[in-house]
Parts: sequence; C-alpha cells; structure tokens
Amino acid sequence: GESVGLHLPTLSVQEGDNSIINCAYSNSASDYFIWYKQESGKGPQFIIDIRSNMDKRQGQRVTVLLNKTVKHLSLQIAATQPGDSAVYFCAENISGGTSYGKLTFGQGTILTVHP
Amino acid sequence: SQTIHQWPATLVQPVGSPLSLECTVEGTSNPNLYWYRQAAGRGLQLLFYSVGIGQISSEVPQNLSASRPQDRQFILSSKKLLLSDSGFYLCAWSAGHNEKLFFGSGTQLSVL
Repeated sequence: GESVGLHLPTLSVQEGDNSIINCAYSNSASDYFIWYKQESGKGPQFIIDIRSNMDKRQGQRVTVLLNKTVKHLSLQIAATQPGDSAVYFCAENISGGTSYGKLTFGQGTILTVHP
Repeated sequence: SQTIHQWPATLVQPVGSPLSLECTVEGTSNPNLYWYRQAAGRGLQLLFYSVGIGQISSEVPQNLSASRPQDRQFILSSKKLLLSDSGFYLCAWSAGHNEKLFFGSGTQLSVL
C-alpha cells in the first residue's frame, strides 16, 4: 500500500565517498528485489535487481546485498558522484501464484551528494 | 530496444473535468502494463495492471479507470476529476510477472 509520512529518510555524503542505502522488507515470501533511482520530475530508473537465491550482486559502481534472515536489503554506491543525488526506492516482489508478482515499493531515501 | 512513451508530461485540469492519459510501449509484445500514482514525498501506489488486451485489474477503489484497447497501449481515465486525484502518474511495463518494471517519464496532474 501507499507509504505513510511526508518525511523521507535522508543520506548526505561527500563526493567520492561510498554510500549505503538501506531497506527493510516485511514479507518473508518476497523473492525478487529491485532498486530504483528517481530524479526530480522523472520516472524511476532501474538500477539493479537480485533474486532470493543470491546474497550479493554487483553492477557498475553499485552492489546490492540481501539478508533474508533479517529481511534487509541494501544498496551500496561506490565513489558517489553529484549525479547520484536522487530518491532511491527498493521494491519487492512475490513470484508465482495469481498475484502476477506486482511490485511493492518502499517509501524511498533521499541521497544528496555534496561536491 | 524497448521504449515507453507517456503523455502529456504535465496537465492542469479543473475539478469535475474528464481525464485521459495515454501510454504506449514499443519493441516488445504482450507486456504487462501498469499505472502507478505517486503523491509528493511518498512512494508509488499501484493503481491498475494489465496482463493482456482488455484485461484490467484494479488495486484500489478510486475515481479512475484503465483500459487496454491494444497490446501495447494503456489508458488511464476519469469521467470527473477530484482534487484528490492530483499527483504524479507513472506508466510502466514488464516482460513478465516476476521481472523488473520499466517506467515512463510520468505525468504531473494538478486538479484545481
């Protein structure tokens, strides 16, 4: 359902630092997870995904970690750049059944990168 | 490659007026199609999804409706807009039911 509250978590980092954005999910049946980046006034952009048979997946400058035991997902951005400033959403999905695997989105985290 | 087009980018409508937002996908066949709404400072709320022509599932009761007249066309409509319909509307597609979503550029709707 829709997230509540107007105050999104925020993360401020200096250019060149590594960033870690966290996400907790609630449904233990979720087996597919995605990170999206959304810049102001634009649609969310796919960053990286991971399925529940993996604990870690790496992309270009990004790494997603999945801890199914505590239902926690994180996105690590290496050498953060000003262009990485955006709102980051995690999303979860349950495959199979008749749900058609509709994504459930987290509330988002605002990342601000200072030059 | 696949692309998704959504228009218009911005729309200002008076209360009680009709609405029609259109979304088309290119470069793929039989996609799953979705309409999401995003209120300012909040996450994305799924409004409708479709797995085929004429097949529409609604997620929340509301003043809006959706239609899929063609395989790669998804339309969001309302007969009479309410103030609470204001928001950022996003169309998305996926290749299957357990695949990543690709979003359009969004429509900022202001109902006054």
